[in-house]
Amino acid sequence: DVKVTQSSRYLVKRTGEKVFLECVQDMDHENMFWYRQDPGLGLRLIYFSYDVKMKEKGDIPEGYSVSREKKERFSLILESASTNQTSMYLCASSLPLEGLAKNIQYFGAGTRLSVL
Amino acid sequence: GENVEQHPSTLSVQEGDSAVIKCTYSDSASNYFPWYKQELGKGPQLIIDIRSNVGEKKDQRIAVTLNKTAKHFSLHITETQPEDSAVYFCAASISGYSTLTFGKGTMLLVSP
Repeated sequence: DVKVTQSSRYLVKRTGEKVFLECVQDMDHENMFWYRQDPGLGLRLIYFSYDVKMKEKGDIPEGYSVSREKKERFSLILESASTNQTSMYLCASSLPLEGLAKNIQYFGAGTRLSVL
Repeated sequence: GENVEQHPSTLSVQEGDSAVIKCTYSDSASNYFPWYKQELGKGPQLIIDIRSNVGEKKDQRIAVTLNKTAKHFSLHITETQPEDSAVYFCAASISGYSTLTFGKGTMLLVSP
């Protein structure tokens, strides 16, 4: 089974702090994704990466950055946390789309971040 | 870009009833439509999917239908059970692109 592990289930940080959310997958997937989940807004893509050191902006990248130094690890960085970044953050991974491969994403359990 | 609308946002049914969740998409280039189930405290997990060259797909008590002309697809759950209670997300994907565009989700509550 694919396993996507997010380092923290709950985090409480103060406004202005630099926050790191870590995600590790064990299936050698090329693609990794960061989403935030808010009630009534569904899953919104923040950033994704299709290879080591590669990154692409998603729909809501403002206030976030990412780092992918190793294939299995994808980090989300909040340079200066703000209260409107209080949310559930979900990491996902997937294989590259080759031939008739399906675009199946495997999710971690999420990190609930509170910024006070 | 793609836009996926999902209805209803909440759905309450009695155990044994059927539940239907509907989604529409905007980009006619989308050709893959997965459904994810998110149980409390867990990340979303794929439960069923359909490609654009298929009109319907079934897996035990769940089925998905697709109407390409109208650009809508639906999830049908029959004989609902309390363990079906969860948030369900539809999504759409364009061939060759690794990203999924998700709907806003439907909270399904199945009462015993």
